Amino acid sequence: QKEVEQDPGPLSVPEGAIVSLNCTYSNSAFQYFMWYRQYSRKGPELLMYTYSSGNKEDGRFTAQVDKSSKYISLFIRDSQPSDSATYLCAMSERSDKLIFGTGTRLQVFP
Amino acid sequence: GAVVSQHPSWVICKSGTSVKIECRSLDFQATTMFWYRQFPKQSLMLMATSNEGSKATYEQGVEKDKFLINHASLTLSTLTVTSAHPEDSSFYICSASLKGKEQFFGPGTRLTVL
Repeated sequence: QKEVEQDPGPLSVPEGAIVSLNCTYSNSAFQYFMWYRQYSRKGPELLMYTYSSGNKEDGRFTAQVDKSSKYISLFIRDSQPSDSATYLCAMSERSDKLIFGTGTRLQVFP
Repeated sequence: GAVVSQHPSWVICKSGTSVKIECRSLDFQATTMFWYRQFPKQSLMLMATSNEGSKATYEQGVEKDKFLINHASLTLSTLTVTSAHPEDSSFYICSASLKGKEQFFGPGTRLTVL
């Protein structure tokens, strides 16, 4: 079993839809949770950074962490074609060594 | 936000040659830099962690003699792929962090070994 599981997609949604991206994990010691966006042939860009459980909102993005279920989510409201990218979840025990999910490819069509 | 650069962005080399990739943190001093490798349609796999002025810590299965990492200053780390072979062809990405906070990634370097 992988430490971090993420549905690779692709996920295709119409512009304006609410997108839900998820990851599950097995290591209960993870405390730091991140979401990155990666465009094709580019490095990952940090979107959300969360410590422990709870919700965090930044503009159209909301990150949720449920440590009891070992489940994290990223919601994108009012999705735009420019949101089309691969979204990677990542997590770590001590905010140093990151363990990445495989990434979910998102396509937002006009 | 924090900016990390990599050079070159793309390199093609012949089998058996060595290739050096630079990673620079442009607007902050990075106490730690990380090197990742990403194969097509796969996630990032950590290769090694380096702290300024000390030897890099390599992940299991990564050959330290093949992937030489130097972290000479708080703003520069280099990865040298020695005696490269076609199976080393991949997307190499570095990241930098300050005092254990979030990592900021470079744009990546695409290596093709012929």
